[in-house]
Amino acid sequence: GDSVTQMEGPVTLSEEAFLTINCTYTATGYPSLFWYVQYPGEGLQLLLKATKADDKGSNKGFEATYRKETTSFHLEKGSVQVSDSAVYFCALINNAGNMLTFGGGTRLMVKP
Amino acid sequence: DSGVTQTPKHLITATGQRVTLRCSPRSGDLSVYWYQQSLDQGLQFLIQYYNGEERAKGNILERFSAQQFPDLHSELNLSSLELGDSALYFCASSASPPPGNTIYFGEGSWLTVV
Repeated sequence: GDSVTQMEGPVTLSEEAFLTINCTYTATGYPSLFWYVQYPGEGLQLLLKATKADDKGSNKGFEATYRKETTSFHLEKGSVQVSDSAVYFCALINNAGNMLTFGGGTRLMVKP
Repeated sequence: DSGVTQTPKHLITATGQRVTLRCSPRSGDLSVYWYQQSLDQGLQFLIQYYNGEERAKGNILERFSAQQFPDLHSELNLSSLELGDSALYFCASSASPPPGNTIYFGEGSWLTVV
């Protein structure tokens, strides 16, 4: 079945540091890929998405590129802020699927 | 604001009881999904409805049931509650079944079973 693997957290960075959260997937066909973010005490928000190979999703300074050859969708940000502290979830929907399959989530903590 | 509305936001109840969680999807969305988020299981897909009919079923316990009404709102019923049912329950919606459409989540209903 489909699966998503994320790097385990927590990831602790200083403000303005470079962020990478690794995400790899296993799925049949050509899935759509997503990053969701969950801020403390809040629900899940869609951060960005990519629907085909080599697509780059971007939002709020975050980027992720759909790499079919490495089955990866790593999340990056050039300069993190304290307000980026949250849990980040990588997820996929495959062509035949009806629902999102999530990774385990990665907690990011950004210190001033 | 995703446009998906869930009520109640917080709920505390005793073991053995029954609760109903309610979800209003985004305007015009026909698909509704329920997910459970717990510390030990992560985000687990429970069930999906599309335009009133069950479309997909995930790791939903027999003690749990759901339905989608003609006005497209959905309810998740949890019965014979156990301590392990304490979790954050998310509802989500999309315009039609994926993969073409993005799924938007509500803020969740926090259930605490004591």
